[in-house]
Order: sequence, then C-alpha cells, then structure tokens
Amino acid sequence: DAKTTQPPSMDCAEGRAANLPCNHSTISGNEYVYWYRQIHSQGPQYIIHGLKNNETNEMASLIITEDRKSSTLILPHATLRDTAVYYCTRGYQKVTFGTGTKLQVIP
Amino acid sequence: SQTIHQWPATLVQPVGSPLSLECTVEGTSNPNLYWYRQAAGRGLQLLFYSVGIGQISSEVPQNLSASRPQDRQFILSSKKLLLSDSGFYLCAWSALGVRERDYEQYFGPGTRLTVT
Repeated sequence: DAKTTQPPSMDCAEGRAANLPCNHSTISGNEYVYWYRQIHSQGPQYIIHGLKNNETNEMASLIITEDRKSSTLILPHATLRDTAVYYCTRGYQKVTFGTGTKLQVIP
Repeated sequence: SQTIHQWPATLVQPVGSPLSLECTVEGTSNPNLYWYRQAAGRGLQLLFYSVGIGQISSEVPQNLSASRPQDRQFILSSKKLLLSDSGFYLCAWSALGVRERDYEQYFGPGTRLTVT
C-alpha cells in the first residue's frame, strides 16, 4: 500500500511556523518522501524530498522520523501566499497523491 | 531549463464527443510522463504514466487512453466523453534517473475540462 495519511486541514498564523505532518508507516527502506503544494487552480509545485536525513531548502524543511514512518514539513515563517493544499507522497516512478492538507495562513 | 506545456487551458465538450489533450516537455530527454485528473475539491488521481515512447501504464480502467508518439509528447484521448470525465487534467514529468531522488515531478498548468 503506497498511501500516506495527512490531516485534512490546518490553520497557521502569518509569520509563525507551519508544521504539516504526514504518516507513511508502510514506506519501504529506499522509498523517498516527497512534498508538493497546490495553490488553487494551478498545477502542484514540488517543494522538497528526503530519505532519512532531515532536509532543508529555500522553501521548507523536512523532518523524517528515525523509523521513517512519519515526516513533518516545516514552513518556518508562513505567509499568506503559503495558503495551499500540501501533499505528502512516496514512490519511485509513480507516486500516489492523497487528498493532502489544506493549510490556511491567517493574517 | 525544463518547461512543460499543456493545452488547451480550458475546454467545454458535450457528452459523447471525443477528447484530445496534449502535453509537451522541453529541455530534457527521456522523461517519465504522467497524466492525472483532479475532480472538484478532490486529490490527484493518477491516470497513466509512461517511461518511454509507446510504453504506457494505465492506473484506472475507464474510457480514456494515452499515447506517447514522441519522447517528450504525451496525449490523453477519449472517443466518447462522459459527464464523470469533467475535472482538472494535469500532465507532469520526472527525470528518468537511476537514483530514487530523481523522481520529483514537475507539473504543467493543467486543462480544466467541463463535460456538459
């Protein structure tokens, strides 16, 4: 089963860190975890991916638990433009997108 | 840099009419190509993916088909549209790498299809 589980929605105050969790308890040892976001009416945008070490880029940080069964995407200083649906996925050539987490950044 | 194009951006078609959506990628060779559909307020459903010319894997049995006539061209078709085919159709590509980290996907702008 290549599914991931995410909360359907979250709110975050502007300027605060947004922490988006994802459960992928059946992930195999060499499957990467990928995060994307989709702003309304646009195609999804790749954010970050990782295997077992924490990763950081200009958009976000990714924290993966030691047992790799879950991960957290961190947007360190959320802005109104970060309001979007965030998808956590796993896989190789093909991935399965769930319904994601709708993040609402509140002024 | 790589660019992915989809057209048309919006489409309104009557039930029973044919469909052809096209996707092209620039700036890369031998990409993996994908077609997704997103119904209103729902997540992304993988319809087809392709690892090379003429190699198509279908994920969901339905009245849609896909073809890859050229390395960087991916076409989604239907002979007769159903009302349930309405949705946001997205094409994506990923690098055909030997490392797992090469599989991040890059999406096109999408085609919004309304079947009436």
